[in-house]
Amino acid sequence: GAVVSQHPSWVICKSGTSVKIECRSLDFQATTMFWYRQFPKQSLMLMATSNEGSKATYEQGVEKDKFLINHASLTLSTLTVTSAHPEDSSFYICSAPHRTSNKNIQYFGAGTRLSVL
Amino acid sequence: AQKITQTQPGMFVQEKEAVTLDCTYDTSDPSYGLFWYKQPSSGEMIFLIYQGSYDQQNATEGRYSLNFQKARKSANLVISASQLGDSAMYFCAMREGRSNTDKLIFGTGTRLQVFP
Repeated sequence: GAVVSQHPSWVICKSGTSVKIECRSLDFQATTMFWYRQFPKQSLMLMATSNEGSKATYEQGVEKDKFLINHASLTLSTLTVTSAHPEDSSFYICSAPHRTSNKNIQYFGAGTRLSVL
Repeated sequence: AQKITQTQPGMFVQEKEAVTLDCTYDTSDPSYGLFWYKQPSSGEMIFLIYQGSYDQQNATEGRYSLNFQKARKSANLVISASQLGDSAMYFCAMREGRSNTDKLIFGTGTRLQVFP
């Protein structure tokens, strides 16, 4: 399957700092990528759809100024958690769709565990 | 109403046996796709199998098969010859529409434990 790389895999930061998470499609181009958040023992919750060259589309209830998304190239989307607070601690994971065998499959990165102290 | 329902929070299966993980969905869109992902404790989401709403045959990928019953709106995952490494969370997901810009909706997941 297609490979999506996510970095960093783990980050610990102080309250009030900003954290940037990168999501790269390694062997294909992705004009759209998706960012999810997952709390312990829960399912994935879509935060936003990242669109190359245009503004991201945020899901209801997700703060745009808090979670900045940039999709500057066909292989890279970044999520920046601005002024992080302990309640932002969570598992963040991205995905990118790739067409293979006439099917649109979403492939996921390995995820980023964010701990805000 | 829930779009994707996984009614089994946890399942146990003995090694080498088959196990079925249930998934039902709700949509009025005639064009949709159904996915199963495996999430081990490391957190990554591993794509297992896909079924399109217009696919005539049930999807199969190695030890994984999808029991697609369109009239019942169910898309159960069957894992044959379970292995210890199959222990993980399993998520069913649906995409309404066929575009790669259409988002996935996930179920709440089923934790599978394979014992020797």
